[in-house]
Amino acid sequence: DAGVIQSPRHEVTEMGQEVTLRCKPISGHNSLFWYRQTMMRGLELLIYFNNNVPIDDSGMPEDRFSAKMPNASFSTLKIQPSEPRDSAVYFCASRLDRGNSPLHFGNGTRLTVT
Amino acid sequence: SQQGEEDPQALSIQEGENATMNCSYKTSINNLQWYRQNSGRGLVHLILIRSNEREKHSGRLRVTLDTSKKSSSLLITASRAADTASYFCAPGDTGRRALTFGSGTRLQVQP
Repeated sequence: DAGVIQSPRHEVTEMGQEVTLRCKPISGHNSLFWYRQTMMRGLELLIYFNNNVPIDDSGMPEDRFSAKMPNASFSTLKIQPSEPRDSAVYFCASRLDRGNSPLHFGNGTRLTVT
Repeated sequence: SQQGEEDPQALSIQEGENATMNCSYKTSINNLQWYRQNSGRGLVHLILIRSNEREKHSGRLRVTLDTSKKSSSLLITASRAADTASYFCAPGDTGRRALTFGSGTRLQVQP
């Protein structure tokens, strides 16, 4: 089990650029979650998918943020255009939507927007 | 989905001592989970306690749940320097798949 894989681990970009973060969930998991973590706001839930369908995107901060899950093994979170206040660590997590199964987190993408 | 609130925000102890962290939540739950986050890493699931359980053990971890007070505690016995991390609780609502998290408790175990 390779765990949840996120790429890149670090991303530095200039304000106004498009940023794409990638996530490969654990094989067989059917729910996927994107979180953002900052010192000021802690760990925020941005959006989650179940069976590749977005269920709740109420945490997505603005229209500049979009997320897709084209298949069960891949998801992207895109920010266009990026702003300095988007600087944070972005985590992807997955779980098998059955009973009380726990979340499995990737190690995050640290995004710095200058 | 409700989030738990951890207390204290920060805790510093000596190796070998016990560490106790508390979690409060607002509405009824189906279960409550505790997670650990080491610096620069994602959260790792530690233990889950169901709403009909009062206490659960896993190695050096002991979790209690008091649904009447809407609170839970995580006890780490005989702490080690490797236990240094942030700890988060996540109340699980019935019928909602997503978990939300509070600010966590930052535990520092001094060798």
